[in-house]
Parts: sequence; structure tokens; C-alpha cells
Amino acid sequence: QLVLTQSPSASASLGASVKLTCTLSSGHSSYDIAWHQQLPEKGPRYLMKLNSDGSHTKGDGIPDRFSGSSSGAERYLTISSLQSEDEADYYCQTWGSGIAVFGGGTQLTVL
Amino acid sequence: EVQLLESGGGLVQPWGSLRLSCAASGFTFKNYAMSWVRQAPGKGLEWVSSIGGGRDDSYYADSVKGRFTISRDISKNTLYLQMNSLRAEDTAIYFCAKDPNSGWSGYFDSWGQGTLVGVSS
Repeated sequence: QLVLTQSPSASASLGASVKLTCTLSSGHSSYDIAWHQQLPEKGPRYLMKLNSDGSHTKGDGIPDRFSGSSSGAERYLTISSLQSEDEADYYCQTWGSGIAVFGGGTQLTVL
Repeated sequence: EVQLLESGGGLVQPWGSLRLSCAASGFTFKNYAMSWVRQAPGKGLEWVSSIGGGRDDSYYADSVKGRFTISRDISKNTLYLQMNSLRAEDTAIYFCAKDPNSGWSGYFDSWGQGTLVGVSS
């Protein structure tokens, strides 16, 4: 079964960096994913498509502070030089065999 | 600029029906696959359904299969979601989302702001 696992919460200080993790279920380590950001009370925003080899394609207007990387079944979203407006929920998402699947989301707090 | 504007949400009784619409602009609507994604109050995102661009292929989550129907009107640049036999667990904000490709890629590169559906007696 295709499942994505994310930590429910993360926190980091203003100006610091944070690395969010999304883990693919067993047997699905080659899958590409997408990262989406959801600010409070807003619709989601596409950040990037992240391939299994670590290459990624960002959405229009996404700052260079956002980057992605991959290792085995892990997919990462790194946000550097954290700003207050980065405080949001972050969802990873994948697809296959006619379905799309979201991780449970990570709520990021900027201290 | 891509714009997706959902409408049609509201309060409906269990077993009732509702049709959601998503008006698309800023891109050639017929050339892209489109999807619906929902979010129950205080919960995460859940994919609902997708339809290929200019094709008949459609996909559904098991939770809505047989009850929901996705469709599109290319002449009106509008995506629809017909929801029948609604249940309390269908209560959510429903988002319209655009695929980056014509064939369904499985992910979404633009999102709307959502429309709220409540199912309650």
C-alpha cells in the first residue's frame, strides 16, 4: 500500500534552516513526490516536484530558500533562512496506479 | 496567471446531492488534467478525483467511488464534481487543482482557494 509518513510537527528559529522528512512506504522507494505548502486558512501552494534521484522542479515564484533532496525512501524539503511567513503546514504527495496520496502533513513553527 | 475559482459548496442533508464547479482561467483548460482534493475540518489533504485533459480517463478515491462523478466543460473552462449520496464524512473544504500535464501526472501545480461542503441533518 502506497503511504507517505511525515512528522506531525517541526520547529526552528527565525533565520535558521529546517529539513522536513517524508518517508515512502516499503516497496515504493523509487517514487517521485511533490511538496505543497498550506498557510493558515489558505489553499495549498505547489512548491516542487522532487524526483527519486534528488532532482527537483520548483513552482513559479518559489524562492531559492526552498530545496529538495532524496535518499532511499526518504524525501526531504529544506527551508533555509527561515522567515515568519514560512510558518505553515507542509504536505508531501505521491501517485501511482490511478491514485494520489498525501502524507499527513507537518506543521512548521518558526520560533 | 492561473486562476481556479471554486463554487457550489453549502450545507446539505445526508444522502443529498451537490454539484461543485471550478472556473479556470489563465491557461488552456482543455490541455490539462484537473483534480479535486478535499480537507476535512482540522485534518490533512485527501485526494478525491482526477480527470485527464481532453480525454475520458477519470480516477476516484475508494471513499467516493460510485457516489461522485468528475467532469469538465471545455467550452466553459469549468471543472465539475457531482456529489451524490453524501455522508457526514464528506464534510470538507473542496479544492480544485491543476495538473502540470495533459495526461494525469498525479500531482498538482496550481490550486484554488476551496469551497466548503457541510453534510448534516
